[in-house]
Amino acid sequence: ETGVTQTPRHLVMGMTNKKSLKCEQHLGHNAMYWYKQSAKKPLELMFVYSLEERVENNSVPSRFSPECPNSSHLFLHLHTLQPEDSALYLCASSQGGQGHYGYTFGSGTRLTVV
Amino acid sequence: DAKTTQPNSMESNEEEPVHLPCNHSTISGTDYIHWYRQLPSQGPEYVIHGLTSNVNNRMASLAIAEDRKSSTLILHRATLRDAAVYYCILRDQGGKLIFGQGTELSVKP
Repeated sequence: ETGVTQTPRHLVMGMTNKKSLKCEQHLGHNAMYWYKQSAKKPLELMFVYSLEERVENNSVPSRFSPECPNSSHLFLHLHTLQPEDSALYLCASSQGGQGHYGYTFGSGTRLTVV
Repeated sequence: DAKTTQPNSMESNEEEPVHLPCNHSTISGTDYIHWYRQLPSQGPEYVIHGLTSNVNNRMASLAIAEDRKSSTLILHRATLRDAAVYYCILRDQGGKLIFGQGTELSVKP
């Protein structure tokens, strides 16, 4: 257990479904991140939240909608996804954006879109 | 974000030291050198980071060249559990963690 918990671990959803991924950290960190990792590709940064405010959205399609209700929780709401959205979705947190702080990652949600 | 260059893959024998190189010739003065590793079916795990001086922790050592244009992650005695993809990443003040392809390390018994 890393201190960052992601649920569910696995998710299979149809293209017309709506689902949400959840991430929780109790490390006292004030920045949280969503990454996507497709097969055989590097991690891609999707969203950055700092002090519960979204500070970055890396050209992510609107079918992915993040939400950060407080500094401990981060959600990724999914709707009308495509099969190419199947991937490992990773959440991470850090103590601010300063360069000398590391990130703590969760174990990820393995998403399959059918 | 400044780029890093790593070999795609490396092999090691169990219980031998492993030196994983990373080139970062465009590093700026405020960039920290971070190393993470990702075991199969898991999220990345922090290994070590440094700015100018060499660093040691319970997992590994980080040797940073004097001009900071390269660094080496040293695993002192590789075990089968060290087989993973190792990422070398430059992170500046306020910067994000941007991952490259990393080095896939395999460890032979």
